[in-house]
Amino acid sequence: GESVGLHLPTLSVQEGDNSIINCAYSNSASDYFIWYKQESGKGPQFIIDIRSNMDKRQGQRVTVLLNKTVKHLSLQIAATQPGDSAVYFCAENEYGNKLVFGAGTILRVKS
Amino acid sequence: GAVVSQHPSWVICKSGTSVKIECRSLDFQATTMFWYRQFPKQSLMLMATSNEGSKATYEQGVEKDKFLINHASLTLSTLTVTSAHPEDSSFYICSARRTAANTGELFFGEGSRLTVL
Repeated sequence: GESVGLHLPTLSVQEGDNSIINCAYSNSASDYFIWYKQESGKGPQFIIDIRSNMDKRQGQRVTVLLNKTVKHLSLQIAATQPGDSAVYFCAENEYGNKLVFGAGTILRVKS
Repeated sequence: GAVVSQHPSWVICKSGTSVKIECRSLDFQATTMFWYRQFPKQSLMLMATSNEGSKATYEQGVEKDKFLINHASLTLSTLTVTSAHPEDSSFYICSARRTAANTGELFFGEGSRLTVL
């Protein structure tokens, strides 16, 4: 769905712990979802994606879970590192057309 | 990997002037490019979808006469903010999708920060 432009929530985790970042999407017709990482002053960086015919996908240190029933996505980061500190956005792709971003979450990793 | 370049990366202009931002796909052809705007501590808001050789499709609430988009070639789209005002100050980000690739993955530029005095 469209981002409502709210100020971003913050998740603080201790270095080495696992992080879970959640996202709700609004369009049940969306068929493809992506997680992006954005560092200050830069464009979004692709992390991992998942298609609507899957409910889980794993990458290096990251896992994305998709629950279509409740229209919910999560990003799990294992053994969080200081370099993971950034803003994380989920995005939904509506039928191969446009990519709409969710509200975003600030991840702060404490050493 | 695919690279999308934006220019300028930052620009300061006086109120009432127009500013052009370029978005180039450096190593692939992009039939579709997207323009986003991002205010501080907020998400990316889609402004418009730019298709090569045709008119851009604007999102609701985005003034097409104020934000002129041109996609004249498969590697270049431009966004012109006309008669800019301080409220147009923002981070503008473009993204590009490869030709014939109907997947959602987009390649993003590094953004252009516009400050209107």
